[in-house]
Amino acid sequence: EDKVVQSPLSLVVHEGDTVTLNCSYEVTNFRSLLWYKQEKKAPTFLFMLTSSGIEKKSGRLSSILDKKELFSILNITATQTGDSAVYLCAVEAPGGSYIPTFGRGTSLIVHP
Amino acid sequence: DSGVTQTPKHLITATGQRVTLRCSPRSGDLSVYWYQQSLDQGLQFLIQYYNGEERAKGNILERFSAQQFPDLHSELNLSSLELGDSALYFCASSPWDRVRNEQFFGPGTRLTVL
Repeated sequence: EDKVVQSPLSLVVHEGDTVTLNCSYEVTNFRSLLWYKQEKKAPTFLFMLTSSGIEKKSGRLSSILDKKELFSILNITATQTGDSAVYLCAVEAPGGSYIPTFGRGTSLIVHP
Repeated sequence: DSGVTQTPKHLITATGQRVTLRCSPRSGDLSVYWYQQSLDQGLQFLIQYYNGEERAKGNILERFSAQQFPDLHSELNLSSLELGDSALYFCASSPWDRVRNEQFFGPGTRLTVL
């Protein structure tokens, strides 16, 4: 059975801190890994990673994938209170059709 | 605002009842995905429709069914409801038959079964 594990489960930091969120996976025929940010309601897309070693960046957020070690990290630098959310990692493994497997998420709380 | 709409926003019902959740995808998107999110299970994929046809099935119970109509809106029907069905139900849409880049999530329907 495909598995996606995120760590830590929860993180509390102060504004300005840098955080690293982890996502490890065990899937057959890996195709891509996606990061989402979920605030109060719907998840919103952050990154899609398919190739090892290529960093994706968007402002203070960046992410990288290691296909050999089967994990990805999401970095957030100079955190702000608006970064407080649950960060979800999902892995896509094709098998005729797309069935995404999500991790349980990391809850990030940024205090002013 | 993702452009995906879901109704109702909240639903409270009793065990044994049946409910219908509705989703309208973004304009032009052909795929609709349904997810269930509960505290103990996280976000779980239920089912996907593409242009009216079922495309992929995940952990969807037999008591649940879905369909996508010619105007591309979708409905998720939950019957013989149990306490454990209480969760947030999300619909997401994308233009493709499979995810090429991202899915756009609706605001969700919170279902409470008493």
